[in-house]
Amino acid sequence: DTAVSQTPKYLVTQMGNDKSIKCEQNLGHDTMYWYKQDSKKFLKIMFSYNNKELIINETVPNRFSPKSPDKAHLNLHINSLELGDSAVYFCASRPTSSLGDTGELFFGEGSRLTVL
Amino acid sequence: LAKTTQPISMDSYEGQEVNITCSHNNIATNDYITWYQQFPSQGPRFIIQGYKTKVTNEVASLFIPADRKSSTLSLPRVSLSDTAVYYCLVGDRGQAGTALIFGKGTTLSVSS
Repeated sequence: DTAVSQTPKYLVTQMGNDKSIKCEQNLGHDTMYWYKQDSKKFLKIMFSYNNKELIINETVPNRFSPKSPDKAHLNLHINSLELGDSAVYFCASRPTSSLGDTGELFFGEGSRLTVL
Repeated sequence: LAKTTQPISMDSYEGQEVNITCSHNNIATNDYITWYQQFPSQGPRFIIQGYKTKVTNEVASLFIPADRKSSTLSLPRVSLSDTAVYYCLVGDRGQAGTALIFGKGTTLSVSS
């Protein structure tokens, strides 16, 4: 009964390729996020969607394109991968105030992307 | 957005109490203080949240002084399994658009 699940867990690819990471949450939450954690363990927010609408887009290269087909899914597509994209990408979800929002983020297990 | 400052690392021994302090000098009136724990190869996990004074749950206690410019996470009698990175966040929990910003966290190492 995984609350927030990401696939794949590991991804190794060559520079210049295009790849996608999928995220699904079964918690009924309205808001979903993508975070990037680099080798220094700094966890940086990339995007946030609320009810399929983009509400946060930090300074992320436009090679990164999130897509939310419904409020339970937030996928991340990355074009023309670069060495610096190597990191662990975490998906997270959060309930809104109508569901008793405590501000708690529920994270997936992460997807480790290695670009060679 | 309120920025947080925490020690980069701390060391402790099993059975000791560990206190990790976080500074958030420009915390806003509507901001709550939330702590997360992250084990290697896992996503961060919610530990505790508070607004003022003291909050306690089965895992930890959170102490927040009256001016709310800092907070202290207290872990009683730590064990080896408490070795992890601990993040302090401040943010308005009622706003879906709030970018919940993680700092660099505090790496806690517990030894036997």
